[in-house]
Amino acid sequence: EVQLVESGGGLVQPGGSLRLSCAASGFTFSSYAMHWVRQAPGKGLEYVSAISSNGGSTYYANSVKGRFTISRDNSKNTLYLQMGSLRAEDMAVYYCARDLLGGSGSLTPKVFQHWGQGTLVTVSS
Amino acid sequence: DIQMTQSPSSLSASVGDRVTITCRASQSISSYLNWYQQKPGKAPKLLIYAASSLQSGVPSRFSGSGSGTDFTLTISSLQPEDFATYYCQQSYSTAVTFGPGTKVDIK
Repeated sequence: EVQLVESGGGLVQPGGSLRLSCAASGFTFSSYAMHWVRQAPGKGLEYVSAISSNGGSTYYANSVKGRFTISRDNSKNTLYLQMGSLRAEDMAVYYCARDLLGGSGSLTPKVFQHWGQGTLVTVSS
Repeated sequence: DIQMTQSPSSLSASVGDRVTITCRASQSISSYLNWYQQKPGKAPKLLIYAASSLQSGVPSRFSGSGSGTDFTLTISSLQPEDFATYYCQQSYSTAVTFGPGTKVDIK
């Protein structure tokens, strides 16, 4: 069974940093692109970042570019999101998601078949 | 970025009703359109991918259609467990975007 478990969320002051983790199991982690999607309280879904199966390709939404860094450790089956210069508008539940198809080595197809339970990031002084 | 719109933003329906949700893209996205269901406090769940392919394990009362800019999610006979918010998502562009959601609640 595919499992994605996020951790690392919490309360952080504006301008602060936080690192989210997503521990994966039940599939060959190194074969799949992985993604971060966030949802502000009471709002819709926003695509944040993606990383290819080998980490060679990454994507960032304009809203987080230059402040967030996505990475993965295939030996530990873990996805990360390093978040810096946090703003009030970054407050959200952050979900990691696995792509539908593996083996492409790219960021495609960007169909989110499996999701974690989410971790809440609160940015407040 | 490609803008996604959904209509209606919310609807009230009864068990057994046929429900149709529309999603429109600001430019052609071929069939790179996916649908998700989200219940309160839960992660989204993939229902339909590539506009009309039913994800494994999803009941056959869910169906999707469309291509280009206009897409539809249909629930043929609404069940109590279907009351939720539904999102479309385009995967045509690297800059993935979601629609604003359609909330389906009980009439």
